[in-house]
Amino acid sequence: DAKTTQPPSMDCAEGRAANLPCNHSTISGNEYVYWYRQIHSQGPQYIIHGLKNNETNEMASLIITEDRKSSTLILPHATLRDTAVYYCIVAMDTGRRALTFGSGTRLQVQP
Amino acid sequence: DAGVTQSPTHLIKTRGQQVTLRCSPKSGHDTVSWYQQALGQGPQFIFQYYEEEERQRGNFPDRFSGHQFPNYSSELNVNALLLGDSALYLCASSLLDRGNYGYTFGSGTRLTVV
Repeated sequence: DAKTTQPPSMDCAEGRAANLPCNHSTISGNEYVYWYRQIHSQGPQYIIHGLKNNETNEMASLIITEDRKSSTLILPHATLRDTAVYYCIVAMDTGRRALTFGSGTRLQVQP
Repeated sequence: DAGVTQSPTHLIKTRGQQVTLRCSPKSGHDTVSWYQQALGQGPQFIFQYYEEEERQRGNFPDRFSGHQFPNYSSELNVNALLLGDSALYLCASSLLDRGNYGYTFGSGTRLTVV
């Protein structure tokens, strides 16, 4: 699976958009970008995933660059409950492969 | 609908002892994966079970073993505990052919080895 690079930490004001970047320059054509987050004392939670088109769901939006070498997770109106570690994972879309987590980005939403 | 249930939530063991952790998958899921998460780090893949067999394994020694039962629940066993085995152990269930977005994680078992 391709390696990902994320900033170790970010701050965001409550109510503002949180934009979390991820670099994955070695991504291959059949690999998807997945985002999971881990709130303190809980297991990771799936947020969103995409191949090459931008994606949006009730939790977030995912913007993938045209060359697919980077992506951005957008939380449109961050709340204090969005404070968590966010993991960007690149992998083929099959449950037959384990997820490879990096160190993630620790997002602190400030009141 | 119950998610993934792990037991116990916390455990303290002495170096050299053996430990068994348990996981009940989300209803309808057939695959169980185990992860180890040291403090301040991302989860590291231990192994995955499907149809009662170990299908994939991460870079963990043979001291780590597991089992999956016919009802899809799973156990993680660790023998000859080391201080470095202290971590949060996470269980994730999924449907094998659903894809990587389908993982549901439990809240984990916090193991402390003293």
